[in-house]
Amino acid sequence: GAGVSQSPRYKVAKRGQDVALRCDPISGHVSLFWYQQALGQGPEFLTYFQNEAQLDKSGLPSDRFFAERPEGSVSTLKIQRTQQEDSAVYLCASSPWTSGRASDTQYFGPGTRLTVL
Amino acid sequence: AQKVTQAQTEISVVEKEDVTLDCVYETRDTTYYLFWYKQPPSGELVFLIRRNSFDEQNEISGRYSWNFQKSTSSFNFTITASQVVDSAVYFCALSEGSGGANNLFFGTGTRLTVIP
Repeated sequence: GAGVSQSPRYKVAKRGQDVALRCDPISGHVSLFWYQQALGQGPEFLTYFQNEAQLDKSGLPSDRFFAERPEGSVSTLKIQRTQQEDSAVYLCASSPWTSGRASDTQYFGPGTRLTVL
Repeated sequence: AQKVTQAQTEISVVEKEDVTLDCVYETRDTTYYLFWYKQPPSGELVFLIRRNSFDEQNEISGRYSWNFQKSTSSFNFTITASQVVDSAVYFCALSEGSGGANNLFFGTGTRLTVIP
């Protein structure tokens, strides 16, 4: 079946511009995560949704970062007034709900590489 | 605090050699999950294995095997008879808690290059 998809795959923004990154999780997956991966580093957690509820946003680095998942499916990560330090790959992952408990295995999309000039 | 350490930044091996990627973790939780993911040049993280803290049995899947030792807080990954297609960055990750979709804490990754 279809995996997690993300768009755009590449985004170049001028410093100060706003950007929106989209994630389409695997159909039926309840949980959705966003991670930020700097060059040469492991992914770092940004935020987590269970259906449409944003249950954890402790990893968002500043109030310029905002995420939503209004209908419990597609999610958008928005970065306002981008800065050079926002340059990174933004990964989305989704996780199914099995046996009444959330599965801990996360399935990742290909990521969006954001470059801020 | 939780932490995952992958001390090997880069490893190069010649095709058909065996290679072991090390992972050491720290957590105060008694219930946790450990993962390995592969990140090829395309960038997508590919799930390889999940282990829960109550299952210390080693696992083998084809050329891949994993050794989980709670006594040393390690979850090492061995590739037998390596192939060029194994070239990628490999990440070890930890998820804490007794279930539920908890976020993953990743190590910094090990870049494996298999030379033909």
